[in-house]
Amino acid sequence: NAGVTQTPKFQVLKTGQSMTLQCAQDMNHNSMYWYRQDPGMGLRLIYYSASEGTTDKGEVPNGYNVSRLNKREFSLRLESAAPSQTSVYFCASSYWDSAAGNTIYFGEGSWLTVV
Amino acid sequence: KNEVEQSPQNLTAQEGEFITINCSYSVGISALHWLQQHPGGGIVSLFMLSSGKKKHGRLIATINIQEKHSSLHITASHPRDSAVYICAASGNTPLVFGKGTRLSVIA
Repeated sequence: NAGVTQTPKFQVLKTGQSMTLQCAQDMNHNSMYWYRQDPGMGLRLIYYSASEGTTDKGEVPNGYNVSRLNKREFSLRLESAAPSQTSVYFCASSYWDSAAGNTIYFGEGSWLTVV
Repeated sequence: KNEVEQSPQNLTAQEGEFITINCSYSVGISALHWLQQHPGGGIVSLFMLSSGKKKHGRLIATINIQEKHSSLHITASHPRDSAVYICAASGNTPLVFGKGTRLSVIA
């Protein structure tokens, strides 16, 4: 049981290049999320997927696209990277039950630098 | 939109001290989460609570729903407690996070 796995862990891009961050969870969770974390800003939601086949914009979606490929996988794509997208990206998944409420699990983060 | 505020932003303590981190939110929620982020980035969930108090080892989390306020306490602090502590509010929308409190515990 690996939890939430995201790749790559580190990436350097040139301005204008594209890339995809991959995320997979093996906990059969319905909901998955992509966040970015910047100094002094906390975690900000980019996109989320409440269930397979659905995606919704979060607080900072501009410059990103997502795909919920199946229940396990939720990828984040930067079509034309910009220096403002230099950040640490976290994928997360969650489940809800009546006893525990909403429990969230995070991947280990992906450090992206755009030069 | 729910606003989540944490205080203090930074905290330095001597080993053994009792530590309190505060979190307030602006809109009614279903639950309040406390998370820990160690250097190197990994984020783990410490507590999720919707009322009262929860305790796990030296960590205690409390919430006052009427005052829209939660606190995380660490008793007998240790250098290994050094981390960023983040609170997050859970409601009808995805979690809204505070900016975190950076705790350094010095031996």
